[in-house]
Amino acid sequence: DTAVSQTPKYLVTQMGNDKSIKCEQNLGHDTMYWYKQDSKKFLKIMFSYNNKELIINETVPNRFSPKSPDKAHLNLHINSLELGDSAVYFCASSQDRDRYSGNTIYFGEGSWLTVV
Amino acid sequence: QKEVEQNSGPLSVPEGAIASLNCTYSDRGSQSFFWYRQYSGKSPELIMFIYSNGDKEDGRFTAQLNKASQYVSLLIRDSQPSDSATYLCASATDSWGKLQFGAGTQVVVTP
Repeated sequence: DTAVSQTPKYLVTQMGNDKSIKCEQNLGHDTMYWYKQDSKKFLKIMFSYNNKELIINETVPNRFSPKSPDKAHLNLHINSLELGDSAVYFCASSQDRDRYSGNTIYFGEGSWLTVV
Repeated sequence: QKEVEQNSGPLSVPEGAIASLNCTYSDRGSQSFFWYRQYSGKSPELIMFIYSNGDKEDGRFTAQLNKASQYVSLLIRDSQPSDSATYLCASATDSWGKLQFGAGTQVVVTP
């Protein structure tokens, strides 16, 4: 059973289009995230939700809008796609713990977005 | 300024040898530190986390933390070809999981 699953895995689309990536976790975790990994493999957080509430919103263009209908789902919608949006987008989840327990983040398999 | 820095590599290690990976961080508020392994085309997977100064061992892996020097390292003993991957160092200032990742060090274990 896949713990954190995201769809689609591959997405090729034209500039200006709007697209969504869906994510679901079956781990019972309270917190979900979207991370972006660019062509240089640099992994950077975009958003984090805890029990459907937005808790982290990094400096991301407002063309990116996350939505969490429930704590097991976190979707990412991107409007007016640009060439620079091409990257791998990872959904992830974790259970709230303090630093002594280790807030292990489990990543989904990634969604490869290519904007042409 | 990048908050977490790693040498990009590639770090070439003979099979059976020890691979030594280094990481420095700039945010003194960082409390926890993580090492993730990422195979090409795959998602990152957690190897270890550490929050106290000193060493932490788990199987062939040892993480070392020196908060005074703002330095974290990972040792891989008895390196195997299956250890060939990119190793990501990350730091966290709180429990919300806002990890700051380094760009990763590519490790290549040669038979």
